Amino acid sequence: NAGVMQNPRHLVRRRGQEARLRCSPMKGHSHVYWYRQLPEEGLKFMVYLQKENIIDESGMPKERFSAEFPKEGPSILRIQQVVRGDSAAYFCASSPRVGENSPLHFGNGTRLTVT
Amino acid sequence: KNEVEQSPQNLTAQEGEFITINCSYSVGISALHWLQQHPGGGIVSLFMLSSGKKKHGRLIATINIQEKHSSLHITASHPRDSAVYICAVGGNQFYFGTGTSLTVIP
Repeated sequence: NAGVMQNPRHLVRRRGQEARLRCSPMKGHSHVYWYRQLPEEGLKFMVYLQKENIIDESGMPKERFSAEFPKEGPSILRIQQVVRGDSAAYFCASSPRVGENSPLHFGNGTRLTVT
Repeated sequence: KNEVEQSPQNLTAQEGEFITINCSYSVGISALHWLQQHPGGGIVSLFMLSSGKKKHGRLIATINIQEKHSSLHITASHPRDSAVYICAVGGNQFYFGTGTSLTVIP
């Protein structure tokens, strides 16, 4: 049973380009969370999705960032017109359910560098 | 003020020492996670707690819901325990502490 798979592991983009980060949750997990870890800072919540629905996007910047979790395929975090401040590690986590006893499994992250 | 406060920020210990990392939070939660992150690496969930105490090998985690406080203990610490330990609390949305960087010296 593969864990949470994120790709690419490293991504380099020039300012103004688009970045697409993919996350395949663990088998049977329908809840996906995206987090960002800026250099020298802690993890920050970005967005929580279930299949085909955005449940909570209160941590997403209002512009340039979007996320989806389609019925088929991985969850995608898209950053348009990247800027240097977007350079960070982006982690995805998945869970089979929400609530008190729901485990959270993390991917290895995508490290985005904007040049 | 952060929703989650961890202490200490940095910790250096001799191999074999007993280690305690503390986490205090101010938000209502349905669960608390202790996470481990190695440099440049991914994140592993060590424990998920909603009450009481859990033990995995040399690791013990406790939570006091009334006091909004949790501790992670490592008994007989080993250099391979060197990592950043992060406390995360919440439900739908998780709030994270800034982490405790642990170095265990042989």
